[in-house]
Amino acid sequence: EIVLTQSPATLSLSPGERATLSCRASQSVSSYLAWYQQRPGQAPRLLIYDASNRATGIPARFSGSGSGTDFTLTISSLEPEDFAVYYCQQRSNWPLFTFGPGTKVDFK
Amino acid sequence: QLQLQESGPGLVKPSETLSLTCTVSGGSISSSGHFWGCIRQPPGKGLEWIATINYNGNTYYNPSLKSRVTISVDTAKNQFSLKLSSVTAADTAVYYCARENGYHQIWGQGTMVTVSS
Repeated sequence: EIVLTQSPATLSLSPGERATLSCRASQSVSSYLAWYQQRPGQAPRLLIYDASNRATGIPARFSGSGSGTDFTLTISSLEPEDFAVYYCQQRSNWPLFTFGPGTKVDFK
Repeated sequence: QLQLQESGPGLVKPSETLSLTCTVSGGSISSSGHFWGCIRQPPGKGLEWIATINYNGNTYYNPSLKSRVTISVDTAKNQFSLKLSSVTAADTAVYYCARENGYHQIWGQGTMVTVSS
């Protein structure tokens, strides 16, 4: 089973700051990694797929990078609506999926 | 646009079977290339993929839940359904339906299911 770890668990920042979130896989997942945003009380929303491709309608301030075992989600300048929990997910052994434990971005 | 709506019992007794129905609107569940999945999230915790199905009825299960889960599709009703047997308090969660196109692209709003006597 491929295990995903995310760091940090919580990231405390202010609007306008840059957020850098990390996801590490226990073995290579190539580029088969996605990022989701979940706001309180809402369903997750796909942000990034295949490590670096923005999903439809996702603002350009969100970017993804990485391959193999190490991945990064960057939010270039935080907007108030970006304070949420972010999950990474791998599908390298599709049709099986695993999610990471999440990183919460909250207000400093 | 495509939407998914979950419907579930709200409350299930321990040892019983949880049944969840996902209704697809704004598109056909029979569209080729798309798969349909269920994910859950216990209160205050992370996401767990449960199962996936396509319109042909090909099914895929999380190994940790496989012995208790059945997913099925009803193309006539544009729905797919999940059954989870022998539930315990650990199965208390928000259950989501989603369309998969490689990843979980479109999600329903989720339905809370509590396991309690």
